[in-house]
Amino acid sequence: DVKVTQSSRYLVKRTGEKVFLECVQDMDHENMFWYRQDPGLGLRLIYFSYDVKMKEKGDIPEGYSVSREKKERFSLILESASTNQTSMYLCASNIIGGGGTEAFFGQGTRLTVV
Amino acid sequence: AQKITQTQPGMFVQEKEAVTLDCTYDTSDPSYGLFWYKQPSSGEMIFLIYQGSYDQQNATEGRYSLNFQKARKSANLVISASQLGDSAMYFCAMREGILTGGGNKLTFGTGTQLKVEL
Repeated sequence: DVKVTQSSRYLVKRTGEKVFLECVQDMDHENMFWYRQDPGLGLRLIYFSYDVKMKEKGDIPEGYSVSREKKERFSLILESASTNQTSMYLCASNIIGGGGTEAFFGQGTRLTVV
Repeated sequence: AQKITQTQPGMFVQEKEAVTLDCTYDTSDPSYGLFWYKQPSSGEMIFLIYQGSYDQQNATEGRYSLNFQKARKSANLVISASQLGDSAMYFCAMREGILTGGGNKLTFGTGTQLKVEL
């Protein structure tokens, strides 16, 4: 069974803390994505990566960075967490090219910044 | 500009009726793919159906069909014979540059909350 696993389901952090959200996939996918989901705003792309050490900004990269040192792992970093980063974070992966292949999602991390 | 627009924040449908969820998109790329996902209250994202920009026929998967109108840039999801278990959030998404390889950005709409009633 294909798997995208996010390290935490729920996380509570303090303002100003450095926060790491980890995502691991076991499908040998090239593409990996980080989204945040907020009511009424849908899923907004933060960053994506199509290869090890490669990254591209999505629509809302401000306040975030990413790291992809290994193909199976894609980390989202909040350098200095703020309350407006309280949200549900979803990681996804899919294969490169291959138009019809869907993205597979992790279970989500609900982050609360207090 | 929004790449994917879903204009219906919420929809109600009677059980066993058909329902259409709207999706319009904006791209200048000739090769793109359109996806629909379902997100029940449990939060998981479930892939439903895919339509490629060069596909000649509208996609169908069981009770799901995609009404693809390329000239109008719309890709509406039709759910036939609605069931109570269809109550969920539905997202339309687009992947551009599918024939050029490389990294492919996957962009989502804001979603439509569907409620199926008895």
